[in-house]
Amino acid sequence: RKEVEQDPGPFNVPEGATVAFNCTYSNSASQSFFWYRQDCRKEPKLLMSVYSSGNEDGRFTAQLNRASQYISLLIRDSKLSDSATYLCVVRDSNYQLIWGAGTKLIIKP
Amino acid sequence: NAGVTQTPKFRVLKTGQSMTLLCAQDMNHEYMYWYRQDPGMGLRLIHYSVGEGTTAKGEVPDGYNVSRLKKQNFLLGLESAAPSQTSVYFCASSYDSGQGRNYGYTFGSGTRLTVV
Repeated sequence: RKEVEQDPGPFNVPEGATVAFNCTYSNSASQSFFWYRQDCRKEPKLLMSVYSSGNEDGRFTAQLNRASQYISLLIRDSKLSDSATYLCVVRDSNYQLIWGAGTKLIIKP
Repeated sequence: NAGVTQTPKFRVLKTGQSMTLLCAQDMNHEYMYWYRQDPGMGLRLIHYSVGEGTTAKGEVPDGYNVSRLKKQNFLLGLESAAPSQTSVYFCASSYDSGQGRNYGYTFGSGTRLTVV
């Protein structure tokens, strides 16, 4: 079993819709959680950290469920520019980052 | 402010050739990392450094060597390239180990390496 698992997609979503995807992690001792965004043939960029209480940044909401060991990302009112691959990242107790393979999102006009 | 700069951006090597990838950061970050990214897989850590003069092995270190002689530079070497090393290589840096709440890595734009 992979340490961090994501549905690879692609998720094909019409512009303006709401989309959500999850990421599961296997190590219950994991300490911190992040979502990165990676555009095609570009480097990953930090989208947001995921806090225990959940957090929101504009149209993006991240949630953490420690009991079930998953994190989620919700995107509201999706824009064409949201098309990208979203990488789930978990930091373990040794401060190492474990990366998911990513979920590809395609927003269609 | 350039952030993290990687050179070269593209390279084709023949099996058995050697090369060095250069990563430079101008943010005074202590921590630097080399990752490889392959289709269908998450980024995998090759080597990392927690400060000038120090390096450590990551998840997939075999076939690679690194050096951090200056704080701002982190070099990745392939001594004898193999087709299995065909990948996209990313360098990243961070201020600390991630204890801070607003922790994040800054990545370079990547090096696409093909070994034939």
